[in-house]
Amino acid sequence: SQQGEEDPQALSIQEGENATMNCSYKTSINNLQWYRQNSGRGLVHLILIRSNEREKHSGRLRVTLDTSKKSSSLLITASRAADTASYFCATGLIQGAQKLVFGQGTRLTINP
Amino acid sequence: DGGITQSPKYLFRKEGQNVTLSCEQNLNHDAMYWYRQDPGQGLRLIYYSQIVNDFQKGDIAEGYSVSREKKESFPLTVTSAQKNPTAFYLCASSTADRALAKNIQYFGAGTRLSVL
Repeated sequence: SQQGEEDPQALSIQEGENATMNCSYKTSINNLQWYRQNSGRGLVHLILIRSNEREKHSGRLRVTLDTSKKSSSLLITASRAADTASYFCATGLIQGAQKLVFGQGTRLTINP
Repeated sequence: DGGITQSPKYLFRKEGQNVTLSCEQNLNHDAMYWYRQDPGQGLRLIYYSQIVNDFQKGDIAEGYSVSREKKESFPLTVTSAQKNPTAFYLCASSTADRALAKNIQYFGAGTRLSVL
């Protein structure tokens, strides 16, 4: 069951611009995480935000969470060519096991 | 790719053949997961295990089998019953400490399976 829906599916911007990706989900969550995947590689964890948090920062990353709207956004500021990758949101559910439910991902391309 | 090793990197399966994908972790994590990723798609959960000698089906378990005899190892077998096995397979692990509310997953580099 795919809980997360990501928007846009693909995003292409110029180096130095900011990139914003959105994620919506359906059921109540314990936390929401963002992961990055370079082409043909495994996923790498970027940032985790708990359900009682509204905003979190890590370097050039800013994540927001609105539990009333069941949505989250990931902002990458001052983008670099090396940021080119796919970005996935993943939700940790309140009930059940420690598993995550991943969205379909946003393919981000940074043009030099 | 942290302390998770997947092998082989590429694998080819013939018709009617079972193949096994290896996943080993040295992170001392209790929980391990197998995902399937099709081109341009997200991850779909095949099987997961929260403790040795126990595992549960994920969303797309049909045609797959797993074992968890050791904490470090969680091999996935793609059986001949899986009619469309061509995909990128990812293994992950995490702590199982619910009290921390942290279930960050660490991924291997993946195995790309193709059908001959």
